Amino acid sequence: GAVVSQHPSRVICKSGTSVKIECRSLDFQATTMFWYRQFPKQSLMLMATSNEGSKATYEQGVEKDKFLINHASLTLSTLTVTSAHPEDSSFYICSAHQTGGDFEQYFGPGTRLTVT
Amino acid sequence: QKEVEQNSGPLSVPEGAIASLNCTYSDRGSQSFFWYRQYSGKSPELIMFIYSNGDKEDGRFTAQLNKASQYVSLLIRDSQPSDSATYLCAVSPIIQGAQKLVFGQGTRLTINP
Repeated sequence: GAVVSQHPSRVICKSGTSVKIECRSLDFQATTMFWYRQFPKQSLMLMATSNEGSKATYEQGVEKDKFLINHASLTLSTLTVTSAHPEDSSFYICSAHQTGGDFEQYFGPGTRLTVT
Repeated sequence: QKEVEQNSGPLSVPEGAIASLNCTYSDRGSQSFFWYRQYSGKSPELIMFIYSNGDKEDGRFTAQLNKASQYVSLLIRDSQPSDSATYLCAVSPIIQGAQKLVFGQGTRLTINP
């Protein structure tokens, strides 16, 4: 149980285009999901907290107009990187917290984004 | 000062020995502490969590917490080559519920056969 999927696993896009990444909780409901970014040889940095049915809360320094988050259902959150640039190339990882659950958040497998 | 600090390594340990990983944090309000293992190109997986001062053991893993010193560690006994990975320390200001995690930069551990 407690499986989180991400789609796509890898994506290459051209500079200036937009990319959507999906995060799904497959066997549980998740009111709250988190989006992290990880650059090579660096740690995970929290980008935003996504809450079902409400606006996402972004961490300081993360542009909310560039990284659009939608959490329209209890099993799906999406991150759209708009007008992507090479510096947005990174490993994007989501995690989901089971509604009513204890502390644990379950991580998705990640999405490798390369912007050319 | 970083919120969560770890020695980036690499830490090299012979097979069968004890690997000791350390982490310090700056926020005295931190309530829960986690150790994640991350293989290259993969997402983190939870190994241990600890809330209270002292030791917590789970199989070959022992987490140690000292809130007064703002220090948390992970010991891996009988290290195996499969333990070779990056170990991430994470802290949270709460114990229950959906919580924002602050991660350290990770320590790369290599177990030598």
